Amino acid sequence: KAGVTQTPRYLIKTRGQQVTLSCSPISGHRSVSWYQQTPGQGLQFLFEYFSETQRNKGNFPGRFSGRQFSNSRSEMNVSTLELGDSALYLCASSPQGGGTEAFFGQGTRLTVV
Amino acid sequence: QQQVKQSPQSLIVQKGGISIINCAYENTAFDYFPWYQQFPGKGPALLIAIRPDVSEKKEGRFTISFNKSAKQFSLHIMDSQPGDSATYFCAASGSGTYKYIFGTGTRLKVLA
Repeated sequence: KAGVTQTPRYLIKTRGQQVTLSCSPISGHRSVSWYQQTPGQGLQFLFEYFSETQRNKGNFPGRFSGRQFSNSRSEMNVSTLELGDSALYLCASSPQGGGTEAFFGQGTRLTVV
Repeated sequence: QQQVKQSPQSLIVQKGGISIINCAYENTAFDYFPWYQQFPGKGPALLIAIRPDVSEKKEGRFTISFNKSAKQFSLHIMDSQPGDSATYFCAASGSGTYKYIFGTGTRLKVLA
């Protein structure tokens, strides 16, 4: 079974730009959640989608958004990038979401300059 | 109530020794407690997980001990090996929360 695939692996963007990250979950998994990982804040929950519906959202500004498609693939978008958005963005795939096992992708390393 | 507190922040263990990492949670709605292992440049990998209906779960050299009344759980790595050197995260989740709350991580170094 293929694992969670995140693309691209690395990104360098300029302040003010926007970026879209992609996540393909494990086949059959309907829940996709996103996390931001930084050395100072650790793993912070961004949002979770299940069958194209956002079920939960973390404490991030509205510049962070996401969506899920009918094939369970998910994208997250960050608009008006700030230097503080530099982080490893991780996608987790799960059969049902919270309370069940979740598998992470390799992440997308975003650097904002 | 949403926090998961993890200790120690870093740990150095001799090869063959036992590594112990502790976590404490507050929200009694949590009913799933996984541990993840993360190597530099990689995403976290699910190591082992436990639910509150059991007090201990063992998989190979990795054991989770769970104390429901104290709202604490811990990871024991027996016969620690240099290849175990990584950052370990505990987490907590509930079936109605649709998210995982992570501890702050423990950087483990196993000396050869």
